[in-house]
Order: sequence, then structure tokens, then C-alpha cells
Amino acid sequence: AQTVTQSQPEMSVQEAETVTLSCTYDTSESNYYLFWYKQPPSRQMILVIRQEAYKQQNATENRFSVNFQKAAKSFSLKISDSQLGDTAMYFCALGGSEKLVFGKGTKLTVNP
Amino acid sequence: EPEVTQTPSHQVTQMGQEVILRCVPISNHLYFYWYRQILGQKVEFLVSFYNNEISEKSEIFDDQFSVERPDGSNFTLKIRSTKLEDSAMYFCASRELAVETQYFGPGTRLLVL
Repeated sequence: AQTVTQSQPEMSVQEAETVTLSCTYDTSESNYYLFWYKQPPSRQMILVIRQEAYKQQNATENRFSVNFQKAAKSFSLKISDSQLGDTAMYFCALGGSEKLVFGKGTKLTVNP
Repeated sequence: EPEVTQTPSHQVTQMGQEVILRCVPISNHLYFYWYRQILGQKVEFLVSFYNNEISEKSEIFDDQFSVERPDGSNFTLKIRSTKLEDSAMYFCASRELAVETQYFGPGTRLLVL
């Protein structure tokens, strides 16, 4: 069975600072994908970043980057220059060709 | 930019009633999904659909649930006889044939009274 664990239920950061959200996973698949989704108060699920497991290079999208440690099955999200609009729930998700398996989420609050 | 759309955004129904949640996936996407999120909990997979048939379903997706692609654009989730515990946010998602990224719609908030 595939599992995703997010060990930080809540985090806070000051505007303009950097924060890292943790995620570990378990899968027996050799080919898989990892995602971070953002869920603001509107509850819409917004893709933040994705990582293919076969790629060693860590994915980056503007202020968002990941630290993908395949052997450790770790996939953390770093948000640089945090903005008030980054306040949201962040879900780590593991996927292959079918379903996504989500973690329980980390509630991030960016303080002015 | 193309988006997944869902209707209605909110629905309130009485226990035992049938509800149909509608989704319009992104036009060139071939894989479709339904997920649900009970308030305060994580997102859970319900069902995946490809080539006009269910390709995988979870334990949650029992006989009370069904999915259909009635035409070339809509993808529906039907709950035949709603229960209180069906109250949740229901998300539709879709993806292209060779791209693993799933794009989510804005969700339908279902409240069963």
C-alpha cells in the first residue's frame, strides 16, 4: 500500500522568510510521481509543484522548490520569500498512473 | 488556461435523496477522477475512469456510487441514496494520456441533512 505522511499539522512563518514543509512516503512502485498541492480557504486544490521519481534534479517553480531524497523517501517543499497569499493547507501527494494518495496536510500561516 | 469545472458549487440534500455532481474535464484529457474530502480530513480517492469504464475504485466507492460520461464533455458522480456521512467536498480531476499530473476542479460542497 502507498502511504504519505506529513508530520507537521501546522506551521507559521513571517512574511518574506523561508519555510520548509516535510513529507515522507512509502511505495513499492519503481515509477511514481510526487506532488504538492495548495488548498486555500476557498478549498480549491491547486498544483504547486511536481517531481518525477526518475529525475534526480529537484523541481523548482519560482519561489517553490523541493528537496527530493529518493533513498530516504522524503519530499519536502521549500517556500522562499513567503507571501501572505501562501497561507493555505499544503498537501503532499504520491501518484502513478492511477490514483493520488494524499497526506493529511500542513496548515501554513504566513504572518505579516 | 483550460480548467476543470464543477457544478453545482454547493448542494444541500435530504438523507436518502439522490444527487448528481457534474464535472467538465479539460477537453483533451482522457483520464478522469473523483475524490472527496470530509471537512478537516485528507483528500481520499473514490474512482478513476478511462475509455468509458472504471479503471480503479476505492472501498468508499460502494454500490451507492456510480460514474458516467454521458456525452463528450461531462463526467458525473451519482450518489443514489445519500447518507449523513456523505457530506464532504467532492473534487473532480482530469489528466492527459501521457502526463501524470492531475488537475482539480473547484469542488462541490455536499451537505446531507
